[in-house]
Amino acid sequence: EAQVTQNPRYLITVTGKKLTVTCSQNMNHEYMSWYRQDPGLGLRQIYYSMNVEVTDKGDVPEGYKVSRKEKRNFPLILESPSPNQTSLYFCASTPGPYNEQFFGPGTRLTVL
Amino acid sequence: TQLLEQSPQFLSIQEGENLTVYCNSSSVFSSLQWYRQEPGEGPVLLVTVVTGGEVKKLKRLTFQFGDARKDSSLHITAAQPGDTGLYLCRHFHNAGNMLTFGGGTRLMVKP
Repeated sequence: EAQVTQNPRYLITVTGKKLTVTCSQNMNHEYMSWYRQDPGLGLRQIYYSMNVEVTDKGDVPEGYKVSRKEKRNFPLILESPSPNQTSLYFCASTPGPYNEQFFGPGTRLTVL
Repeated sequence: TQLLEQSPQFLSIQEGENLTVYCNSSSVFSSLQWYRQEPGEGPVLLVTVVTGGEVKKLKRLTFQFGDARKDSSLHITAAQPGDTGLYLCRHFHNAGNMLTFGGGTRLMVKP
């Protein structure tokens, strides 16, 4: 089944404790993105990657890192999480930016 | 970043009513997509519009792309409770390769 998977689905952590949210897609898509979704603000792009070893900042990259060592994986890293990073995070992939984006199920992160 | 403005932000209507939601920008879109997101899930694509003036129908949903490609609308005829969700428009900002979403319209259709 073609899909985007994210783990974990839910995470409660404390300020400053490094964490990684994994994202994997099995559709051989080139373009992958991370978004955060907050009430009233819609989906804001954090980082995106147009291919392996190519990553770029989106609208709200501060406090986040990503890597794209393999085509299928695009982990999101929070080196020192802060409470303002409490949010719902979505990973998405697409063959290209003009095509349909396929979203993962979301990761609800709470930083205390 | 090119801003996409969606209106209204919230809409609560009775089953059977018609409604229209809008997506606007001050700049020209190369193409535009509409997504629907249900609670607890990621957005799912409804339609892509590319040509100015284009109209696409998906059952009771009608999507229109403005002639100047700066705006788009989604009209739902005889809304049903199953239409409840967050409607998002998205475009590809080719100057920076970013994919930008509007703030969304949250629709609730009451039985």
